[in-house]
Amino acid sequence: GNSVTQMEGPVTLSEEAFLTINCTYTATGYPSLFWYVQYPGEGLQLLLKATKADDKGSNKGFEATYRKETTSFHLEKGSVQVSDSAVYFCALYEMDSSYKLIFGSGTRLLVRP
Amino acid sequence: DGGITQSPKYLFRKEGQNVTLSCEQNLNHDAMYWYRQDPGQGLRLIYYSQIVNDFQKGDIAEGYSVSREKKESFPLTVTSAQKNPTAFYLCGTGTFVFGTGELFFGEGSRLTVL
Repeated sequence: GNSVTQMEGPVTLSEEAFLTINCTYTATGYPSLFWYVQYPGEGLQLLLKATKADDKGSNKGFEATYRKETTSFHLEKGSVQVSDSAVYFCALYEMDSSYKLIFGSGTRLLVRP
Repeated sequence: DGGITQSPKYLFRKEGQNVTLSCEQNLNHDAMYWYRQDPGQGLRLIYYSQIVNDFQKGDIAEGYSVSREKKESFPLTVTSAQKNPTAFYLCGTGTFVFGTGELFFGEGSRLTVL
């Protein structure tokens, strides 16, 4: 079945460091891919998305490129801030009869001043 | 104000009691979902509904029940049969038929069993 695998956290970085959070997926067709962010005590917010191969999603300085050849959708940011500290979830949606979004296990990011 | 409203934000329950978590949306989305999140873990799907008067079990439906009598509302009941109900519960909505599959989420309800 479809699945999403994320790198385990926590990821601890200093402010202005480069961020990469790895995400790979397994799917039978051509899924849409998403990154969600969850700040402490809150629900999930959509951070960015990509709906087809080679698409690049971007938002708030974060980017991720849909790589079909490596089945990956890694999240990157060139210079993290303390306010980026949160849990990041990779997710996929494949249009089939189930209409479900499948999430990875989440990666906690902690940015120190 | 458009969006998804979950209530209550915090709820305490004694063992053996049923509790109902509310989820209301005014986004006109067809699909609604309940996820459970445990500390340091990902999201697990409890129930989902693609249309009024219809819903399907997710991966961890045991001990939970739902109803979908109106498009706007998808309440979740945590029954006494749920052995470990303390968790953070998230309601999501989506419009999958013509959309790209993204979900929108409420702010969550934190349930604690005393």
